[in-house]
Amino acid sequence: AQKITQTQPGMFVQEKEAVTLDCTYDTSDPSYGLFWYKQPSSGEMIFLIYQGSYDQQNATEGRYSLNFQKARKSANLVISASQLGDSAMYFCAMREGMGGSYIPTFGRGTSLIVHP
Amino acid sequence: DAGVTQSPTHLIKTRGQQVTLRCSPKSGHDTVSWYQQALGQGPQFIFQYYEEEERQRGNFPDRFSGHQFPNYSSELNVNALLLGDSALYLCASIYQTDTGELFFGEGSRLTVL
Repeated sequence: AQKITQTQPGMFVQEKEAVTLDCTYDTSDPSYGLFWYKQPSSGEMIFLIYQGSYDQQNATEGRYSLNFQKARKSANLVISASQLGDSAMYFCAMREGMGGSYIPTFGRGTSLIVHP
Repeated sequence: DAGVTQSPTHLIKTRGQQVTLRCSPKSGHDTVSWYQQALGQGPQFIFQYYEEEERQRGNFPDRFSGHQFPNYSSELNVNALLLGDSALYLCASIYQTDTGELFFGEGSRLTVL
């Protein structure tokens, strides 16, 4: 079974609008961490935001926020006020357990295109 | 503060050849992981090195091997290349924080003909 599922292969959004990228996960471990990474065409994966399973509040980092719904096992990324530079692939990832070797599993990604 | 650097950025090999990819982690990071990213896919974990030893390995054959040096830099070696080994190979370094955020390099794009 897939541990991370991203069901949107591609998303389009107009500049300055908000967009939500979906991510669902599957784990039986009570301790886990969820990540979102951005991958522009250059190839480098850029860390955006992190949510721990015990965090009570949704994580926010500037224009990025993570809509964490633990019971539904979803961790959607919300990008507010989209910019042209946000066009990229976006990957959701999960690390199971705390500490240790930090081996996150990645989803297949969502391609986001921001148009003027 | 230099981030993660990888070399070479692009390379072309033929089937059966061997390739070595190199990675220098972010300053202060002691753990290096390697990922393979095929076109249109998410990164797949190959292995992780810590204290010059392979600490964990993903579902990759023994043709994939690695090494970590005392300065924490790392190499990924792939022997007997197959067409299916064509991919972007990403190196990521970690400092043992409580989140496990990965810092990635820009990758080495390998094409096997």
